[in-house]
Amino acid sequence: GAVVSQHPSWVICKSGTSVKIECRSLDFQATTMFWYRQFPKQSLMLMATSNEGSKATYEQGVEKDKFLINHASLTLSTLTVTSAHPEDSSFYICSAPGLAGGPDTQYFGPGTRLTVL
Amino acid sequence: SQQGEEDPQALSIQEGENATMNCSYKTSINNLQWYRQNSGRGLVHLILIRSNEREKHSGRLRVTLDTSKKSSSLLITASRAADTASYFCATSSTGANSKLTFGKGITLSVRP
Repeated sequence: GAVVSQHPSWVICKSGTSVKIECRSLDFQATTMFWYRQFPKQSLMLMATSNEGSKATYEQGVEKDKFLINHASLTLSTLTVTSAHPEDSSFYICSAPGLAGGPDTQYFGPGTRLTVL
Repeated sequence: SQQGEEDPQALSIQEGENATMNCSYKTSINNLQWYRQNSGRGLVHLILIRSNEREKHSGRLRVTLDTSKKSSSLLITASRAADTASYFCATSSTGANSKLTFGKGITLSVRP
């Protein structure tokens, strides 16, 4: 089946530093990937849509200069949290639509837990 | 913004019992999907039902969709302790590769 990986699975950083999270589709190509964040015991909130070869589309209220997205290839999208602050601590999850279950089915990565001290 | 609202928010049942979870949404949809999330993990796709479908089965899962009431239900029959997880409904308003809007989620606990 379609597999999406994320790296790292968890990261702890100091306030003010930048953190890069990778999302890879391992056995299929994804021209589109989605980035979500999830606070404890809450639902997933879509942050942005990552488009291969073009600019990402950000949801309302998401700072594009703070959350940099790069979709450099058909299997890799990266999310960089710049100048991280403690309020950025969250669970970040990516997903990619896969053909295996039909184009409407999305495959999710295992998530990256970010803790900003 | 969140589209779906699940109820109950938390459900605790005995192993072997059936679990029914409901989801309501606000706008027109192309399809509705249910996902499962184990604590601190990613999401696993369970089942998708399209707007022109009323019921769908997959193993121990049964999902219904009532577009007139803008609601869906997920039934897990003969529950197992391993079914303990959070369950989310998510709606898609357009076609392929469209973004999903998630509900708040339901925490299911199945007691052995």
